Amino acid sequence: KAGVTQTPRYLIKTRGQQVTLSCSPISGHRSVSWYQQTPGQGLQFLFEYFSETQRNKGNFPGRFSGRQFSNSRSEMNVSTLELGDSALYLCASSLGTLYTEAFFGQGTRLTVV
Amino acid sequence: DAKTTQPPSMDCAEGRAANLPCNHSTISGNEYVYWYRQIHSQGPQYIIHGLKNNETNEMASLIITEDRKSSTLILPHATLRDTAVYYCIVDNNAGNMLTFGGGTRLMVKP
Repeated sequence: KAGVTQTPRYLIKTRGQQVTLSCSPISGHRSVSWYQQTPGQGLQFLFEYFSETQRNKGNFPGRFSGRQFSNSRSEMNVSTLELGDSALYLCASSLGTLYTEAFFGQGTRLTVV
Repeated sequence: DAKTTQPPSMDCAEGRAANLPCNHSTISGNEYVYWYRQIHSQGPQYIIHGLKNNETNEMASLIITEDRKSSTLILPHATLRDTAVYYCIVDNNAGNMLTFGGGTRLMVKP
């Protein structure tokens, strides 16, 4: 079956702009989580959506937001971009039930200049 | 904060077993131990998880001590393609909200 698909793979934005990233989970998966990976902070959890509702949220400012559609596809948005938002953004999908594994996409590499 | 402690790096000879340790002394009764790995520039890949019994799958074995305060991931015959950062994660939230620590950078050498 198809894996987790993230688009776009690479993106360059200017400070102050906003950006939307997309994630298509594995068919049948209802949970989508987003992570930010930087060299300094490592992999950090942003938020999780399950059945179109945000179920868990990490410690990120309100500039980071997301949503999930009825087909489980998810988008995350970052407004008023800062240089420090440059990172690899990873999406993971899972069944959303107890103690199942997460499947990660290849990520979107965002560069803010 | 991550609830696990791992050595920052390890080397292993190709074809030998790679034994990656993880300490999780504050683990609670309903928390599972997960292992993921991340090969350079790719998304993390699930390897295995367990609660208290030892587990084995086609990729690796997971040995959890009886007191559950530590575990070891075993790659029985390491190959060059196993070179990656390995993350040990303790999780009680259905695996959907993973807290990654620094991981162990495993270098498999010919």
